Amino acid sequence: KAGVTQTPRYLIKTRGQQVTLSCSPISGHRSVSWYQQTPGQGLQFLFEYFSETQRNKGNFPGRFSGRQFSNSRSEMNVSTLELGDSALYLCASSLGSGETQYFGPGTRLLVL
Amino acid sequence: DAKTTQPPSMDCAEGRAANLPCNHSTISGNEYVYWYRQIHSQGPQYIIHGLKNNETNEMASLIITEDRKSSTLILPHATLRDTAVYYCIVDQTGANNLFFGTGTRLTVIP
Repeated sequence: KAGVTQTPRYLIKTRGQQVTLSCSPISGHRSVSWYQQTPGQGLQFLFEYFSETQRNKGNFPGRFSGRQFSNSRSEMNVSTLELGDSALYLCASSLGSGETQYFGPGTRLLVL
Repeated sequence: DAKTTQPPSMDCAEGRAANLPCNHSTISGNEYVYWYRQIHSQGPQYIIHGLKNNETNEMASLIITEDRKSSTLILPHATLRDTAVYYCIVDQTGANNLFFGTGTRLTVIP
């Protein structure tokens, strides 16, 4: 079974721009969670989607948003990029609540 | 909020067992203990999880104390490829928002 895939793998943007990252979960998985990893803050939870609905949200500003499609694929969007948004963005999928999460390889975003 | 405590770093000789401890003294009765590892710049890799009983799979063994306040992840024969940061996580059942903490950086030495 194919694992979690994320596109693109690397991205360079400039301050003020917006970016959209994509995540395709493992087949059959309906929950998708997003995390941000930076050297200073470590791995932090952004939000979780299940059946196209956001169920949980971490402590991030409204510039960070996401959505999930009927096929469980998910996208996250960051608007008005700041230098501090440079990070590894990770997506994880699971069958549902409380089930084991499996992570993708991540998208490395660099904001200049 | 951190619910686990792990040593920041450990070394292990190649071929020997690596024993990684984790304290989770405030764990609730329905919370699982999960272990993930992250090799540099890759996505975290699931290793194993357990509730009360000891667990073993092809990657590792998980030993949970009877009072569930601590656990140990055992890699039976560490290889250089096991060099990674290992995270012990207490899962808030039903909420897919894992709190990773700072983990233990395991270095396997040739």
